[in-house]
Amino acid sequence: GAGVSQSPSNKVTEKGKDVELRCDPISGHTALYWYRQSLGQGLEFLIYFQGNSAPDKSGLPSDRFSAERTGGSVSTLTIQRTQQEDSAVYLCASSSSGSRTNLYGYTFGSGTRLTVV
Amino acid sequence: GNSVTQMEGPVTLSEEAFLTINCTYTATGYPSLFWYVQYPGEGLQLLLKATKADDKGSNKGFEATYRKETTSFHLEKGSVQVSDSAVYFCALREGSTLGRLYFGRGTQLTVWP
Repeated sequence: GAGVSQSPSNKVTEKGKDVELRCDPISGHTALYWYRQSLGQGLEFLIYFQGNSAPDKSGLPSDRFSAERTGGSVSTLTIQRTQQEDSAVYLCASSSSGSRTNLYGYTFGSGTRLTVV
Repeated sequence: GNSVTQMEGPVTLSEEAFLTINCTYTATGYPSLFWYVQYPGEGLQLLLKATKADDKGSNKGFEATYRKETTSFHLEKGSVQVSDSAVYFCALREGSTLGRLYFGRGTQLTVWP
């Protein structure tokens, strides 16, 4: 697609429920990243996928968080047993190994605003 | 390790004022440096970049120079407009050109007419 698409744009869930957030990267982009943006906390790295390599999961805050990327394209971030502190905007970005594109940094989606009540 | 420190906001300016948002970094190698901007209600957009020492990135009247000796990448604009009101993030990427970005905490800029 023309841009990075994330769904849903907003999600309100009850504490203890599981949620799935979806990211559809730009077609052909081999790298995909998840970040979390909390009020006053800036951008927190969560996980990074690059091609067929093992993902860099070093930013996942707990084992309640997991992510997968199917077929090198769409990615799903899953949060199990959600807690109120999980409330944030979850951002997805993608990037390409093309020599011009990668110098331009990432392309971000508009994010999913998650509210845990 | 890698980290980015940027001046805390909020920054409030009158239209046509001069803007500086300070950014310093720590990196073990030779990073590429970026400024991203997030306008109200929108996603992050790349504003400008620099990939090596002494490079100057520029876009929309904003400039930043990669200073290796001071490990800095300060954002400047000579005359801000109301439409520049946004949150600005400094970021670095080290090593692989597809590696993760390390972001500062963001600086909220508000410009009054």
